[in-house]
Amino acid sequence: EAQVTQNPRYLITVTGKKLTVTCSQNMNHEYMSWYRQDPGLGLRQIYYSMNVEVTDKGDVPEGYKVSRKEKRNFPLILESPSPNQTSLYFCASSPPPGLVGHEQFFGPGTRLTVL
Amino acid sequence: EDQVTQSPEALRLQEGESSSLNCSYTVSGLRGLFWYRQDPGKGPEFLFTLYSAGEEKEKERLKATLTKKESFLHITAPKPEDSATYLCAVQLDTGRRALTFGSGTRLQVQP
Repeated sequence: EAQVTQNPRYLITVTGKKLTVTCSQNMNHEYMSWYRQDPGLGLRQIYYSMNVEVTDKGDVPEGYKVSRKEKRNFPLILESPSPNQTSLYFCASSPPPGLVGHEQFFGPGTRLTVL
Repeated sequence: EDQVTQSPEALRLQEGESSSLNCSYTVSGLRGLFWYRQDPGKGPEFLFTLYSAGEEKEKERLKATLTKKESFLHITAPKPEDSATYLCAVQLDTGRRALTFGSGTRLQVQP
């Protein structure tokens, strides 16, 4: 089954304790992205990756890091989480443009609480 | 500044009562407009992509249309299972391929 998976689905942590949220897709998509969703603000892009070893900032990159060492994986790293990073996080992937379209397929989400 | 505004914020319909959701955008260089459905506790689920003014797409009870300034998601004879938050997003004509989302319309269809 074609899917985007994220782990963990729920995480409660404390300020300053480094954490990683994993994202994996099995559709051989080149493009992957991270979003955060906050009430009243909608979904906002954090980082994206056009391909292996190619990453760039989205709209709200501060406090986050990413890496893309393999095509299928795109982990999100919070080196020193703070309470304002409490949010619902989504990973998404997309085929390259010119094929079936630019639609992005989203994972199930990771609900992060930073105390 | 690029903006995407959805209205209404919330909509309650009776089963069978047709209506439309609006997504207005002020962006330059639109590459595509996307509609997603999001159920509570789940990731957005892709519905439609529209690329140019005048384009229409249909799927079951849903029909999406696009003009130069806005898009409509028409829901015909909705059923309770259509209850969800509907998100509109635009993709700009840049290499970044980021989606700029609206805040969504929460739709509740009562039996």
